[in-house]
Amino acid sequence: EAGVTQFPSHSVIEKGQTVTLRCDPISGHDNLYWYRRVMGKEIKFLLHFVKESKQDESGMPNNRFLAERTGGTYSTLKVQPAELEDSGVYFCASSQDRWGALYEQYFGPGTRLTVT
Amino acid sequence: LAKTTQPVSMDSYEGQEVNITCSHNNIATNDYITWYQQFPSQGPRFIIQGYKTKVTNEVASLFIPADRKSSTLSLPRVSLSDTAVYYCLVGGGGSYIPTFGRGTSLIVHP
Repeated sequence: EAGVTQFPSHSVIEKGQTVTLRCDPISGHDNLYWYRRVMGKEIKFLLHFVKESKQDESGMPNNRFLAERTGGTYSTLKVQPAELEDSGVYFCASSQDRWGALYEQYFGPGTRLTVT
Repeated sequence: LAKTTQPVSMDSYEGQEVNITCSHNNIATNDYITWYQQFPSQGPRFIIQGYKTKVTNEVASLFIPADRKSSTLSLPRVSLSDTAVYYCLVGGGGSYIPTFGRGTSLIVHP
């Protein structure tokens, strides 16, 4: 069974540019989560999809971040325009069950975003 | 959300048993306790989850006392490959938002 995949693995962009991160969850997993870790900080929740619907986006830092999950399969996280403080590692995770948090979340390897 | 407290770091040697304790004094009735492991440049990986008493799987055991205000992750006979950061998470179902703390950095020495 293929795991959660994320693309790209690393992205370097200049301040003000746009970057789109992609996450492919494990097939059949309705729950999809985005997290990020900025340098020296803890892993922080960004948002949670159940299929194509945003269940909880309370962790999204501001309106420069837009997440979508069209069709309830893969998800994208767009940062526009990127700022220096957006640098960090962005993780995606998926889980199978409706009450996903009670069950194990499968994490991808992360996308390391560097904004210069 | 229940706050968790765990050691910042621990050292051990190959073959030893390692116990990492996590405090969660304000755990709620419907909260579960979940542990994740993270290697450098990888995403966290689920290890074990429990609600009360003891849970054991092929990689670890989780001990939860009756008051559930703490939990202990036990790794039997660690190897060098167990060097990683271990996170204790506490939460329930439905609107649960996983909260990762700083974790415990475990270093296993030869």
